[in-house]
Amino acid sequence: LAKTTQPISMDSYEGQEVNITCSHNNIATNDYITWYQQFPSQGPRFIIQGYKTKVTNEVASLFIPADRKSSTLSLPRVSLSDTAVYYCLVGPMDSSYKLIFGSGTRLLVRP
Amino acid sequence: GAGVSQSPSNKVTEKGKDVELRCDPISGHTALYWYRQRLGQGLEFLIYFQGNSAPDKSGLPSDRFSAERTGESVSTLTIQRTQQEDSAVYLCASSFGGQGATGELFFGEGSRLTVL
Repeated sequence: LAKTTQPISMDSYEGQEVNITCSHNNIATNDYITWYQQFPSQGPRFIIQGYKTKVTNEVASLFIPADRKSSTLSLPRVSLSDTAVYYCLVGPMDSSYKLIFGSGTRLLVRP
Repeated sequence: GAGVSQSPSNKVTEKGKDVELRCDPISGHTALYWYRQRLGQGLEFLIYFQGNSAPDKSGLPSDRFSAERTGESVSTLTIQRTQQEDSAVYLCASSFGGQGATGELFFGEGSRLTVL
């Protein structure tokens, strides 16, 4: 069971790039890394997923080193609406396993 | 509907009463998860279903909690003899677990339970 560790909170300002790192030292070979975003009073929603190297979509980038023991979510030019809690989740793609969320990182974007 | 639907969205009950929370997953999703989220806290895993079977119930806090799933569709989380510490948002998520699965979880909006 791959346990994840993230910073509890981060502060940033509008327009800056934010990088949130997650540690998952005992990640398994068939595990993928997925990041979710949660706004108050809502369920989490998918942001990005990757297995190794770099993945980029319209909202974020995900950097995964060769040993896969950590990953970094990069949010370019954040805005106030990016204030949320970000969760890193590690698990297999086939939903054959219970998925344990870490404590998440509370990101506050200031004007 | 297109997404995961949970009901009721809000439930206020008295200590000692039983409550049932319902989750309608996305059609065709074989995996279904229940999480509990206390105010200002992270997501606490409760149970997950693969089809109608629950391979892992280890997250259920006590024997007052039970869950079932029928027809590889609707799931019900039942809390008997509710206590004040059961007050939380209960989140349901579903995932397509078949061939070509991505592992992405789709969450409902949650059921907020308040035990007085």
